[in-house]
Amino acid sequence: DTAVSQTPKYLVTQMGNDKSIKCEQNLGHDTMYWYKQDSKKFLKIMFSYNNKELIINETVPNRFSPKSPDKAHLNLHINSLELGDSAVYFCASSQDWAAETQYFGPGTRLLVL
Amino acid sequence: KNEVEQSPQNLTAQEGEFITINCSYSVGISALHWLQQHPGGGIVSLFMLSSGKKKHGRLIATINIQEKHSSLHITASHPRDSAVYICAVYSSGSRLTFGEGTQLTVNP
Repeated sequence: DTAVSQTPKYLVTQMGNDKSIKCEQNLGHDTMYWYKQDSKKFLKIMFSYNNKELIINETVPNRFSPKSPDKAHLNLHINSLELGDSAVYFCASSQDWAAETQYFGPGTRLLVL
Repeated sequence: KNEVEQSPQNLTAQEGEFITINCSYSVGISALHWLQQHPGGGIVSLFMLSSGKKKHGRLIATINIQEKHSSLHITASHPRDSAVYICAVYSSGSRLTFGEGTQLTVNP
């Protein structure tokens, strides 16, 4: 019954590795988002997809690549992980891209060693 | 300077007190979003508003577009209200910018 789910919940990996975080929503929403929350708890938007099309791409290193195979899924792939990538990554969805209430996933805690 | 500023950064209150958290922004916006992040990390959307006032239970959110200011009020505060409250604004289409959050602690 979870509206927005993310896997894995925790991810510990070595510098230089490539990893993916998956996000799925069962709300029938058109828009999905990825956010990064750093160690100071500051949230920043990374990407947003509307109907599988990229609509927001904030200043994020090219090592981060979102992929939306369908409207219900937005995955985040990270290449060549760096120490600074350690953070909590939240996925969210909303009915539409235009300023709607967003529903957040539980977060994925990534630790790069 | 962040485009979205919240005050106070930290707030401690006694159970039952009326609480106000403020959010000021420096850009033109289409809407403002209040979020609550629980101690366990989960994030919940509280309000989305573009004008006036909204109320949900003990929570009230107001916005003044001319003054570029929003407030989140909690009446009859309870220890379970302890959380980080985050203000975020939509500007330039769908761009979303967050404040740094207000850590609220309500003591019994």
